[in-house]
Amino acid sequence: DTEVTQTPKHLVMGMTNKKSLKCEQHMGHRAMYWYKQKAKKPPELMFVYSYEKLSINESVPSRFSPECPNSSLLNLHLHALQPEDSALYLCASSQTGDQPQPQHFGDGTRLSIL
Amino acid sequence: AQSVTQLGSHVSVSEGALVLLRCNYSSSVPPYLFWYVQYPNQGLQLLLKYTSAATLVKGINGFEAEFKKSETSFHLTKPSAHMSDAAEYFCAVCGGSTLGRLYFGRGTQLTVWP
Repeated sequence: DTEVTQTPKHLVMGMTNKKSLKCEQHMGHRAMYWYKQKAKKPPELMFVYSYEKLSINESVPSRFSPECPNSSLLNLHLHALQPEDSALYLCASSQTGDQPQPQHFGDGTRLSIL
Repeated sequence: AQSVTQLGSHVSVSEGALVLLRCNYSSSVPPYLFWYVQYPNQGLQLLLKYTSAATLVKGINGFEAEFKKSETSFHLTKPSAHMSDAAEYFCAVCGGSTLGRLYFGRGTQLTVWP
């Protein structure tokens, strides 16, 4: 069982759709992360929220829009995605984002763009 | 700058044999090092972490890793492989100017033969 919960587990969407990925943790962590992972590759960092403020944006295209409503929730809003955006999207959390600490990962949302 | 290099994208062992997965790091500051495992269709699970305490670190599922500063290495070992160990393994380093950020190696796919 993972302590970081991601929904949905699978998502298929067209290039004109709008959808959202959700992530929730109840470990009291104050840093949350979005990663994109292609098959047989390591995760690539997209965004970091620390104390509910966006602290890192890795030059991600604007068709990906993160949101952190509170310290337990992290959303990733998707709009007008491209086929190359098909990937596993992982959410992670850590106690804080300003110290070297392990990150705890969810099981991801597998996204397919038609 | 922080980085890790995993030598060998694929490692195959027989069940019961020694597992050795190699990781070398580059860091301008004392590093914090992690090993993660990823099973198919799952997120990353923390196996073990080095945070400048003991140089020999024991993790879950019988894995351990030894931090060797002179060799800038943090290799992962397990005395006796089990079929259930087949997975992708990622070494990661944390530290420096963006303290909470993880830098992943490219990953090593472990295959265990019966």
